[in-house]
Amino acid sequence: NSKVIQTPRYLVKGQGQKAKMRCIPEKGHPVVFWYQQNKNNEFKFLINFQNQEVLQQIDMTEKRFSAECPSNSPCSLEIQSSEAGDSALYLCASSLGVNTGQLYFGEGSKLTVL
Amino acid sequence: AQSVTQPDARVTVSEGASLQLRCKYSYSATPYLFWYVQYPRQGLQLLLKYYSGDPVVQGVNSFEAEFSKSNSSFHLQKASVHWSDSAVYFCALSWVNYNQGKLIFGQGTKLSIKP
Repeated sequence: NSKVIQTPRYLVKGQGQKAKMRCIPEKGHPVVFWYQQNKNNEFKFLINFQNQEVLQQIDMTEKRFSAECPSNSPCSLEIQSSEAGDSALYLCASSLGVNTGQLYFGEGSKLTVL
Repeated sequence: AQSVTQPDARVTVSEGASLQLRCKYSYSATPYLFWYVQYPRQGLQLLLKYYSGDPVVQGVNSFEAEFSKSNSSFHLQKASVHWSDSAVYFCALSWVNYNQGKLIFGQGTKLSIKP
């Protein structure tokens, strides 16, 4: 069973609406990742954090998404203005470090943009 | 560029039969390799991982995988499958330094078990 907790499991938004997802990483894991898994099972890395600092993010994340991992609060990923192409499963994962290789995934938040 | 290829999008085997799911990778040095499983409406669960050493690694639920540097492969195997093994299986690649811990995933193989 996942120890990475993601909420909500499902969300439905209209185009142009904001969509926000949250993630509580596994206890003691300082590194958090967000991936997007589309219906064709293609994974896209979006952003990762070490503690509260962004390590790396892709262009799309920089422009239309906002993400943060504040101390003592859940991490979050927010799409500012949802598009149909954003419909996907958003997976949060955590890790003990950037060089351990092993990620622990949550169950995901499935976003449907109508 | 680094990549992972799972050549079989779908595999069907009979319950109790043996299983091999194929994974080929492209990376110039020795990578970290993983197999994850995704059950319907769930996240990814780690089955096993390879970092170095013995090329045959054991995982959960009697899965094992064999790393081959010469073939750039990391095939997943199980001697006798159960109906509960029905799921999508993903091979993934990572490496030390410079990639900030990111994983490169294959396209997945959907495993169906016939009764």
